[in-house]
Amino acid sequence: AQSVTQLDSQVPVFEEAPVELRCNYSSSVSVYLFWYVQYPNQGLQLLLKYLSGSTLVKGINGFEAEFNKSQTSFHLRKPSVHISDTAEYFCAVRVFNQAGTALIFGKGTTLSVSS
Amino acid sequence: DSGVTQTPKHLITATGQRVTLRCSPRSGDLSVYWYQQSLDQGLQFLIQYYNGEERAKGNILERFSAQQFPDLHSELNLSSLELGDSALYFCASSPGLAGEYEQYFGPGTRLTVT
Repeated sequence: AQSVTQLDSQVPVFEEAPVELRCNYSSSVSVYLFWYVQYPNQGLQLLLKYLSGSTLVKGINGFEAEFNKSQTSFHLRKPSVHISDTAEYFCAVRVFNQAGTALIFGKGTTLSVSS
Repeated sequence: DSGVTQTPKHLITATGQRVTLRCSPRSGDLSVYWYQQSLDQGLQFLIQYYNGEERAKGNILERFSAQQFPDLHSELNLSSLELGDSALYFCASSPGLAGEYEQYFGPGTRLTVT
């Protein structure tokens, strides 16, 4: 079965500092990988996704992620964070079966940006 | 705004009761997914419908059921509610079944069981 592990439950950083949110997955087959962001009292919004091709994926709000197949990782990075980046971040993999396609989510990482 | 709407936003009910959560997908999207978000279990996939038919099941309890109607809106029915069913329930939609499609999430329905 596929699973996703987000290695840090909370990441506190200062404004304008770089940040990396770590995500590892396990799967016996090829997967699609996603990062979603959830702001307080809101639904999830897609930050970026890896389907195929270049292993460095750029998303919205200055975020990027690198797919590393050998290490089964998909870490999210931003070179300089803002207060407005404070949110919950979820890494997810897409599971394929004959019937449908569901997202398997990690437990989430709370990013807290302070001034 | 993702284009996915969910009603109601909040729901407070008692144990043993039954509730119905409603989801309207983005215009043109045929696939609807239901997810449950709770503090202890995180975000878990419940069930998926595509063009009116059930296509995949996740960790959905037997007390829960769903359907997708001809106009493509979906309802999640939760019965014999327990305290542990208190959670945020999200609906998501996508154009089709292919894995590369993004899932667009609604704002969620917060269910509180007292």
